[in-house]
Amino acid sequence: GQNIDQPTEMTATEGAIVQINCTYQTSGFNGLFWYQQHAGEAPTFLSYNVLDGLEEKGRFSSFLSRSKGYSYLLLKELQMKDSASYLCVSDNYGQNFVFGPGTRLSVLP
Amino acid sequence: KAGVTQTPRYLIKTRGQQVTLSCSPISGHRSVSWYQQTPGQGLQFLFEYFSETQRNKGNFPGRFSGRQFSNSRSEMNVSTLELGDSALYLCASTSLGGQGDEQYFGPGTRLTVT
Repeated sequence: GQNIDQPTEMTATEGAIVQINCTYQTSGFNGLFWYQQHAGEAPTFLSYNVLDGLEEKGRFSSFLSRSKGYSYLLLKELQMKDSASYLCVSDNYGQNFVFGPGTRLSVLP
Repeated sequence: KAGVTQTPRYLIKTRGQQVTLSCSPISGHRSVSWYQQTPGQGLQFLFEYFSETQRNKGNFPGRFSGRQFSNSRSEMNVSTLELGDSALYLCASTSLGGQGDEQYFGPGTRLTVT
């Protein structure tokens, strides 16, 4: 089966660091996306990991461990505009993308 | 380069009716995927079209159908609407729909069934 788990909600303070975890069990796994979705808007691409390890892109970093079926998205120097849902998405060979339920992050002043 | 566009943006229908939603992908993109997004279920994959052929299909009833035209524009149709079909319908395009291809999402069509 295809299953992706991530926390439903998280809260953090402006300027802080937050880590959003994702575990997946998907067949034919190729790589893992992270998307950001603000309320009422379409998802937008943040990152894509194929190899194990950490990939850094500005304030956002994404980590993948294929052997553990685990990924996380790290957001540094949080800003109010980072309040959004973060979607963990599995990319699978010959199949469609599988989206996790999303983690709604609230950044407080 | 223009983004993915979807029409209409909002739609209200009554139970039993049918509806057609339209999606125009980014110019040059040949793969279009459709998703249903509801608060409780997140994004659920409906189907993917590539070069006018349905390449993948999710677990939705036959009331949900789609097609793609030679210019890569795609439509999805829902017949005999049910209250539970109320959702945000998103389409996303990629150049080829291959592994690792980033999906570009449209703004969505919010369908309300009363």
